[in-house]
Amino acid sequence: QSVLTQPPSVSAAPGQKVSISCSGSSSNIGSNYVSWYQHLPGTAPKLLIYDNNKRPSGIPGRFSGSKSGTSATLGITGLQTGDEADYYCGTWDSSLGRVFGTGTKVTVL
Amino acid sequence: QVQLQQWGAGLLKPSETLSLTCAVNGGSFSGYYWSWIRQPPGKGLEWIGEIHHDGSTTYNPSLKSRVTISVDTSKNQVSLILNSMTAADTAVYYCARLSKNWFDPWGQGTRVTVSS
Repeated sequence: QSVLTQPPSVSAAPGQKVSISCSGSSSNIGSNYVSWYQHLPGTAPKLLIYDNNKRPSGIPGRFSGSKSGTSATLGITGLQTGDEADYYCGTWDSSLGRVFGTGTKVTVL
Repeated sequence: QVQLQQWGAGLLKPSETLSLTCAVNGGSFSGYYWSWIRQPPGKGLEWIGEIHHDGSTTYNPSLKSRVTISVDTSKNQVSLILNSMTAADTAVYYCARLSKNWFDPWGQGTRVTVSS
């Protein structure tokens, strides 16, 4: 079981906003950068956010990241049907190495 | 634009050894860490380990006794060996480039099934 906890699912109507939390501890999120990934079935995961809140080139501004203490949050505004996917947070843990969150399925109603 | 192309056997019997290779095309191989990550059916992502182009490695403690990751700098390739496979190792396996603290890009994935 992962040391980073995410809600199993979140949902909202098109155009609305969702927030996905990633809860960890002082040995991981509390002392390291967080990244976020979008994973559509049958495809390779895609980097959305790195270093807590930075977006790679090509990632729309609708995606944002933040970190406070031992938790991080991914926000998606202006929700689109193409955003339906699984989302994972990731970071380094001082005992376990690189770790990922439990994953959150986003559903567009 | 760096692209990762991976390949390897997709069906193994229990106790056999998994061997996967990932080729790095169109970008720099040096100066980066290269990782393997897997996703069992219905489960989340699990980091397997990583290797620097100079050969230094770090492995997931839970898999360390069975894993070997290596590089062939002459071919810009990274390889994964996982011994003593069981049904619990059934997963989609990905290679990915590690830049400081994030994985990008990822390979297309290789579905590996362990079954007698």
